[in-house]
Amino acid sequence: GAVVSQHPSWVICKSGTSVKIECRSLDFQATTMFWYRQFPKQSLMLMATSNEGSKATYEQGVEKDKFLINHASLTLSTLTVTSAHPEDSSFYICSSAGTLRYNEQFFGPGTRLTVL
Amino acid sequence: GENVEQHPSTLSVQEGDSAVIKCTYSDSASNYFPWYKQELGKRPQLIIDIRSNVGEKKDQRIAVTLNKTAKHFSLHITETQPEDSAVYFCAVRIKAAGNKLTFGGGTRVLVKP
Repeated sequence: GAVVSQHPSWVICKSGTSVKIECRSLDFQATTMFWYRQFPKQSLMLMATSNEGSKATYEQGVEKDKFLINHASLTLSTLTVTSAHPEDSSFYICSSAGTLRYNEQFFGPGTRLTVL
Repeated sequence: GENVEQHPSTLSVQEGDSAVIKCTYSDSASNYFPWYKQELGKRPQLIIDIRSNVGEKKDQRIAVTLNKTAKHFSLHITETQPEDSAVYFCAVRIKAAGNKLTFGGGTRVLVKP
């Protein structure tokens, strides 16, 4: 399968600061990238879908001004959590989909965000 | 939107026994049904998937069955081993909805040696 990386793997920040998470597809062109959030012992919840060069489409209930998504190239998407609060602490996972195998999604390793 | 229900939420089996997890979905336009295994703190890993034009698919000890009429699909793991212990998620995709995946709630499987 394709390789997707995320950086950082974990981050601890103070309340009120912003955090940027990068998602890279290393060996294929990802026309679409998805961002998920997973709270402990819960399922993956889709936050937004981004297509290269277009604005992201956010799921209902996800604040687009708080979770800024940029998909500037076919290999890189970023998620910025602005003015982070403790309730934003979660496991953030990206996935990339291109023209491989029925548009299969390939997941990144995730980023553990802890907001103090 | 699509609604996916997964049962059971926890499953404990003896090593060597079979495990079955079932998911139901609501949108008949769903056309792709993957299953993922997730270990603690790791990314979900695709273990098997099935498309809407197929009723059953098998890969060694893992199989998936799909009943489109009833809108449910199941994961079957035979001859379970301790390394099968993990959380398993089903998911459903509707092509017309931009290939988004909607996940079930997850099943925590524990295989006791």
